[in-house]
Amino acid sequence: QVQLQESGPGLVKPSETLSLTCTVSGGSVSSVTHYWSWVRQPPGKALEWIGYIYYSGSTYSNPSLKSRLTLAVDTSRNQFSLNLRSVTAADTADYYCAASSTSKQMYVWGPGILVAVSS
Amino acid sequence: DIQLTQSPSTLSASVGDRVTITCRASQSIDSWLSWYQQKPGKAPKLLINRASTLESGVPSRFSGSESGTVFTLTIGSLQPDDFATYYCQQYKTYSHVTFGQGTKVEIK
Repeated sequence: QVQLQESGPGLVKPSETLSLTCTVSGGSVSSVTHYWSWVRQPPGKALEWIGYIYYSGSTYSNPSLKSRLTLAVDTSRNQFSLNLRSVTAADTADYYCAASSTSKQMYVWGPGILVAVSS
Repeated sequence: DIQLTQSPSTLSASVGDRVTITCRASQSIDSWLSWYQQKPGKAPKLLINRASTLESGVPSRFSGSESGTVFTLTIGSLQPDDFATYYCQQYKTYSHVTFGQGTKVEIK
């Protein structure tokens, strides 16, 4: 059973880079049948898709974030990561990583991590 | 971009009620739609995949259906554990996945 865990700083200063890692256990980030997602949720608001990454490094990103976003996968550590540059208070949110397979969407989620953007 | 419009935004219901939540897509997404349940402080949980396929372990009182670009999540008999917020999500194109705005099911 795949399990996911987000990690990273809970506080980031405006204009800096938000960096998060998702560690995969019970499965492999190199799986050809899976792809790995990031989703965020500002306090009291709806879910927002950030992007997907495949084991090969291929990515799909939300057009509204694409210019500031880098997604990466580290097969040696069984992790995938998110870097969001030039953050503002609007990027304050719970950030979730999730696993999808070729047969179903986001069927496993990490518990989430709250990241606040503040000086 | 494909937009999803959920209705209602809030729904007040009692235990035992039959509850229906609607998600309308701005264009055809075939059956590429999922439903999630989210409780306060928790990650979303996948309930239904491909518009009508119940995820393993999800109670059978949950069901999904579609008619053209209108998708419906039905809870056959609302249970205390079902009070939560529900989201639809379309994934017809992996280049731009979108979620609905959510429907909060609260106790009447």
